[in-house]
Formats: sequence, C-alpha cells, structure tokens
Amino acid sequence: NAGVTQTPKFQVLKTGQSMTLQCAQDMNHNSMYWYRQDPGMGLRLIYYSASEGTTDKGEVPNGYNVSRLNKREFSLRLESAAPSQTSVYFCASSVSEQYFGPGTRLTVT
Amino acid sequence: AQSVTQPDIHITVSEGASLELRCNYSYGATPYLFWYVQSPGQGLQLLLKYFSGDTLVQGIKGFEAEFKRSQSSFNLRKPSVHWSDAAEYFCAVGASNDYKLSFGAGTTVTVRA
Repeated sequence: NAGVTQTPKFQVLKTGQSMTLQCAQDMNHNSMYWYRQDPGMGLRLIYYSASEGTTDKGEVPNGYNVSRLNKREFSLRLESAAPSQTSVYFCASSVSEQYFGPGTRLTVT
Repeated sequence: AQSVTQPDIHITVSEGASLELRCNYSYGATPYLFWYVQSPGQGLQLLLKYFSGDTLVQGIKGFEAEFKRSQSSFNLRKPSVHWSDAAEYFCAVGASNDYKLSFGAGTTVTVRA
C-alpha cells in the first residue's frame, strides 16, 4: 500500500514550457486535491476532484489545468510555466481526512 | 469564507519542555479542524482531527488539541517535546471532511538541547 505517490520529485522548467505532474492513490478514495506550498503562505488549494469525472477550482487555479483520469489518478498540467509557479506541489486524497503525497519541487527559470 | 490564523511564525522550545501552538479559525458553522506536521523535505502527516464530540482530542506522537468554540481556537499541545518534534506545524479548517481545507501559514518549531 503506497498511499499517495507523485512524480516527478523535482523538475526545472524554462518560462513558457509545459509539463504534467502526476498523482496516484491506491486507497480507493473518491476525493483528490492539488495544493501548492509557498514560504509563509501554508498550502493553497489549486483544484480538487470530489469524485471520478468531476473537477472544480480551488483558491489559486489560474495557469493550471487538471484531469481526473480515473479513480486512482489526478494530474496537474502547467500549459505555459511562469516563474510565479515556482513552488512545491502536493497531491492529496481523502475519505475522512486528507493523505498527502511527498511533493514535487518545481522551479521555473 | 473559512480561514485559519496561526499567530506564531516560529517557536523555540527546550527538549523536555512543554509546547503549545496557537490556531484561530473563522468559519460560520461547526468546523472540521485538523493539525498536520511536516518534517523538512517531506509531505504532511495528520497529527489529529476534530469533527464533533469531546473537545479535547488526542493524536499521534503524544499531541493533543482542545477545541474552544467561544474563542474560535484549536490549540495544539504537547507536555514534553523531543528533538524529533522539530518540524513545521499546520492548522487547517474544513467545511466537511472531504474537500476544500484552508490551511494556516504554519508554525516552525525548533527544539534546542
């Protein structure tokens, strides 16, 4: 039982490049989330998915898109990366509380 | 809208001393409340949660928290800290136990020998 897994662990992008962050959970949870963590700001919700086939915006969705591919997987896409998107990204899934992945540290130069 | 304030950015405590981390929330109805801990370079681990019932909640690693509705607070306590408790601690509030948590900015705890 791996819990919540994220790939990659680290990524460096140039401004304007695109990439997809992958997230998978093996706990059969309906709900999944993407957060970004920036110093002094805690975690902020980017997008969430209450169930397979549904997604909705969180607090800071601009510049991101998501896909709930199936019940296990929830990906986050940056279509045109900007330096302001330099952050640590966490995926989580939940039933009664949220379980977090190890994070992806993204740097945009 | 729901929100969380953690007034202390950084706390330094001696090993063996007691620890209290403050959390104040804003939410119109009965909140779901959580404390998470994050060690450097790691993800977040749930310490404890409050949904309803007894206002004193016990968690893992010897932590407890008390929900005080009159003060809109959910402070985290530990009677005797260990060096391994050095980490960043986040308080979070949710409208339900399923999505859209709002996190505080976090409190970094340093433990000195």
